[in-house]
Amino acid sequence: EPEVTQTPSHQVTQMGQEVILRCVPISNHLYFYWYRQILGQKVEFLVSFYNNEISEKSEIFDDQFSVERPDGSNFTLKIRSTKLEDSAMYFCASSEQRGEETQYFGPGTRLLVL
Amino acid sequence: KNEVEQSPQNLTAQEGEFITINCSYSVGISALHWLQQHPGGGIVSLFMLSSGKKKHGRLIATINIQEKHSSLHITASHPRDSAVYICALTLNTDKLIFGTGTRLQVFP
Repeated sequence: EPEVTQTPSHQVTQMGQEVILRCVPISNHLYFYWYRQILGQKVEFLVSFYNNEISEKSEIFDDQFSVERPDGSNFTLKIRSTKLEDSAMYFCASSEQRGEETQYFGPGTRLLVL
Repeated sequence: KNEVEQSPQNLTAQEGEFITINCSYSVGISALHWLQQHPGGGIVSLFMLSSGKKKHGRLIATINIQEKHSSLHITASHPRDSAVYICALTLNTDKLIFGTGTRLQVFP
């Protein structure tokens, strides 16, 4: 069964460093998402992406964040200068269509900023 | 403000028990989702509902649009059902708005 994959599974970085989290969505899906979950808190929406542009972004997704689909398969989330409060689990998701559609989640990348 | 509220926050059960998890919401929705988050963190979509009832194996999800309420039922619960069950909403955009989840532990 097709699945969303994410790399790395864990990343430890120093405050102020840049990190790139990678995702490979399901191949025929057109809509891509990043969510994050700070330890002990609920999952929060960061950004949605369709047709090579951002469809929607949350207040969390400030100028330090960017997303890209550099080729036909990868979908990346970049954090330019990490802060301690960026420590969280980051989930990528994809769906075939928008709106009333099941989103399929990757296993997550656990990011720890020291 | 919380657009979606779940109850209970924590639930323990003995194997074989019938389990109900509730979700109430305060906004107009296009769909409601039930998801399962495993202890390792992975999230799996269980159901997407915009009306009525859906069943998959031992899981049943219902929604009452007028009352803005949904329930997830697990029949004949098993220790492997132990996880966090999350209610999430789709409004008029693509993003999911997540509830805080219900932590379920089923003991043998």
